[in-house]
Amino acid sequence: ETGVTQTPRHLVMGMTNKKSLKCEQHLGHNAMYWYKQSAKKPLELMFVYSLEERVENNSVPSRFSPECPNSSHLFLHLHTLQPEDSALYLCASSQDTGTYEQYFGPGTRLTVT
Amino acid sequence: AQSVAQPEDQVNVAEGNPLTVKCTYSVSGNPYLFWYVQYPNRGLQFLLKYITGDNLVKGSYGFEAEFNKSQTSFHLKKPSALVSDSALYFCAVRPPGGATNKLIFGTGTLLAVQP
Repeated sequence: ETGVTQTPRHLVMGMTNKKSLKCEQHLGHNAMYWYKQSAKKPLELMFVYSLEERVENNSVPSRFSPECPNSSHLFLHLHTLQPEDSALYLCASSQDTGTYEQYFGPGTRLTVT
Repeated sequence: AQSVAQPEDQVNVAEGNPLTVKCTYSVSGNPYLFWYVQYPNRGLQFLLKYITGDNLVKGSYGFEAEFNKSQTSFHLKKPSALVSDSALYFCAVRPPGGATNKLIFGTGTLLAVQP
């Protein structure tokens, strides 16, 4: 395994629910990322954190709210989602935001009903 | 606009034969290039990267990729395919400069290796 874990692995939620996705990396990395993976589309970068500071917000709707309490943990808080938000949400980490490769978690399969 | 193209949705190859998964990019300057593989129900795994130097890069599981600046390509290759290589392969580009490690991904190519 890559050293990046995500919970839950599967999540079904209604449009009025509030839920959170959790990511933890055990690699001692300083940068963490959230991606959205939809079928037949390129991975979409959502957020980038470096040393717990958000350094990129890729025009993501406010119904997605990230949180990085320390360099090992990253959360994605979800509220009032839409069915089109159903996708695989991937967390990744890298040593820093230079040219280092990113290590991905297994993802959370989110279904919004 | 900056982009990555993987022109083949699927590549089929017989076990033991060489394989190529194509990638071209449209990025100004000298980009950094990556290949990742995704097995079912798993996250992406890093295979190899090109930053600078020798155009032929060797990576995990016997894969290699060749950077061709004039053709703006970074094709993934393996001399002899295994059934276990069957997976979804993503090419990614990091444009030069910028404060974040922002990767631009292709749409992926499904590699199917038949026994």
